[in-house]
Amino acid sequence: QSALTQPPSASGSPGQSVTISCTGTSSDVGGSNFVSWYQQHPGKAPRLLIYEVSQRPSGVPDRFSGSRSANTASLTVSGLQAEDEADYYCSSNAGSNSLVFGGGTKLTVL
Amino acid sequence: EVQLVESGGGLVQPGGSLRLSCAASGFPFSRYWMSWVRQAPGRGLEWVANIKQEADETYYLDSVKGRFTISRDNAKHSLYLQMNSLRVEDTAVYYCAQTWGLWTQREWGQGTLVTVSS
Repeated sequence: QSALTQPPSASGSPGQSVTISCTGTSSDVGGSNFVSWYQQHPGKAPRLLIYEVSQRPSGVPDRFSGSRSANTASLTVSGLQAEDEADYYCSSNAGSNSLVFGGGTKLTVL
Repeated sequence: EVQLVESGGGLVQPGGSLRLSCAASGFPFSRYWMSWVRQAPGRGLEWVANIKQEADETYYLDSVKGRFTISRDNAKHSLYLQMNSLRVEDTAVYYCAQTWGLWTQREWGQGTLVTVSS
């Protein structure tokens, strides 16, 4: 149950696009349809942004999109806004009936 | 509106026990998998346990197997986490979450803080 690998930080200016990666193995990200992304503001509970690699739940703006290539999943935030400044986490089921999260990426809006 | 309200956190000594509760409302509780996820101070998210709708399947993080027990009472719309033999490294905010398809945490509570310290 090793954590997925995310860059510790990312940044972009308002209006720009930023992509955050999440790297695992063929036993988790590369072999699972259950890859999710969460947003967490300081002191708040996480919020689901993307599920099943690229699906957006109701209420999440289409500025947020998810994709996957081999063992790496990605979250793209388009048209950056000040309120997008937060921590972002990916997750994937990891076989053996377990779930693993990434270490998190702090997104800064410059 | 979905609401998940955790309770039962607090300060406990190493080796002690604690029982967390999560009161659910605003959705058909008995139709969903449920999860516990924790977050140590200043650290990332860590999945702890899942439980199926009828409580006939449960899954755990390796480091809590044999120490923690997830359970639910569908009649009371409540989720529980019994934590025994607590360790300093179990210190965290514990969140309960409505779970889709076993592995997607759709809605989250605000969390309850568990501190294990002597």
